[in-house]
Amino acid sequence: GQQLNQSPQSMFIQEGEDVSMNCTSSSIFNTWLWYKQDPGEGPVLLIALYKAGELTSNGRLTAQFGITRKDSFLNISASIPSDVGIYFCAGRDSGTYKYIFGTGTRLKVLA
Amino acid sequence: KAGVTQTPRYLIKTRGQQVTLSCSPISGHRSVSWYQQTPGQGLQFLFEYFSETQRNKGNFPGRFSGRQFSNSRSEMNVSTLELGDSALYLCASSPEGTSGGRATDTQYFGPGTRLTVL
Repeated sequence: GQQLNQSPQSMFIQEGEDVSMNCTSSSIFNTWLWYKQDPGEGPVLLIALYKAGELTSNGRLTAQFGITRKDSFLNISASIPSDVGIYFCAGRDSGTYKYIFGTGTRLKVLA
Repeated sequence: KAGVTQTPRYLIKTRGQQVTLSCSPISGHRSVSWYQQTPGQGLQFLFEYFSETQRNKGNFPGRFSGRQFSNSRSEMNVSTLELGDSALYLCASSPEGTSGGRATDTQYFGPGTRLTVL
C-alpha cells in the first residue's frame, strides 16, 4: 500500500539530546499527524497540523507542516528514557481523504 | 470522554476459521477506520466507515470486510484465515467536520486486537 517516506528508520540517542525526524510525500496533504506507539499498544496522537507552515508544540515536542504541504518534521527536545518507542507520521491525502502512514522511526534513548 | 475501545484484545485462531473484531469509537465520532499492522508491512489501511457507509477501502482481498452500525460502532470480519493474517488490528475514530473554523481531521486509535493465526 501507499506509504510516506519517514526518516530516520531508527536512532539511538543519549538522554538529554534533541531528536529530529521527518516525513515526505509525493502527494499534497491537508493534514499531518504525529503519533507515538509503545509495544503492543495503539498509536497515541502527539500533534496535529492543519495548515501549511503551521508550527505546533506539545511540551518538549514541536512539529511543523511543510510549506509545500508534502512534508512535515517532528522535534523532541531534551529526550528522556520514556521517549522510547516508535514514532509515526500520517498525512491525509487531499484527493482520497485517506490517512497514509509513514514507516515509523524507532527511537531508543540511552540513559 | 472514553477512548476508542476494541474487543477482544487478544485472539488465537486456526487457518480456515473466521473472526469478527469489534470497535467502539469515541462518543460523537462518526468515522471509523481499520488498519492492519505487521512488522514487515507497517500500518496498512483496510477500510473506513462513515455514517454506516464504507467511504474508503484499501487494497485487501474480499476476505476482509466490515460494517458500521447506527451507533457508529464497527465490526470487521476476516473469513478463511491465513497464517499471514496474524497481525495487530487497529481501529481509529475521527470526529470529522470543523470546530470553530479549525479542521478536526484527527484519528484516535484504540489499543488494538492482536490476532494470531496458527
